[in-house]
Amino acid sequence: DTGVSQDPRHKITKRGQNVTFRCDPISEHNRLYWYRQTLGQGPEFLTYFQNEAQLEKSRLLSDRFSAERPKGSFSTLEIQRTEQGDSAMYLCASSPTAGTRRETQYFGPGTRLLVL
Amino acid sequence: GENVEQHPSTLSVQEGDSAVIKCTYSDSASNYFPWYKQELGKRPQLIIDIRSNVGEKKDQRIAVTLNKTAKHFSLHITETQPEDSAVYFCAASRGWAGNMLTFGGGTRLMVKP
Repeated sequence: DTGVSQDPRHKITKRGQNVTFRCDPISEHNRLYWYRQTLGQGPEFLTYFQNEAQLEKSRLLSDRFSAERPKGSFSTLEIQRTEQGDSAMYLCASSPTAGTRRETQYFGPGTRLLVL
Repeated sequence: GENVEQHPSTLSVQEGDSAVIKCTYSDSASNYFPWYKQELGKRPQLIIDIRSNVGEKKDQRIAVTLNKTAKHFSLHITETQPEDSAVYFCAASRGWAGNMLTFGGGTRLMVKP
């Protein structure tokens, strides 16, 4: 399966700890997105990259959140000083920048974060 | 920014009946409208999408309609089956130029055998 992959799938941490999640997009996809999904809600946009450039950030992305995509391939999302309100599913998606499916975002399985 | 409203939040139908889920959006510049199906604990999966230059698109038992003037779009599932049971999300974006998706709140569809 050459779909979007995310690691870890589950993370339990204590309030105040830092966590880092990884996303590997579909190999030929230049765009990579991060979303957050809380229980019973639709995903909310956090940020996106085209290659290594971070092009847009949501106001949801507080200064405790940082995302990188250093070589334009995989991406990491770090949350510093976690709070209980950070508990959610963090979804990654990727899309191509050419062709007939260039608007289509393909999602990974997500990382479920629980902050105790 | 864009705001997407989705109704109903839950929908229960008998197997073989049709199901309709409706969404409205606020940004007149939105031109791409995908629908995702999410089963419990799994990733959202694209089931159908429509661009603003067409009014309707069909793929087997699934169809989507778009009314740009009224800013609403709908998902229609015919001959529902138990495996259609899931949460369905509509979304809107400005397409490739402004790619972030804004999602509706989701509809939990239950198909009773």
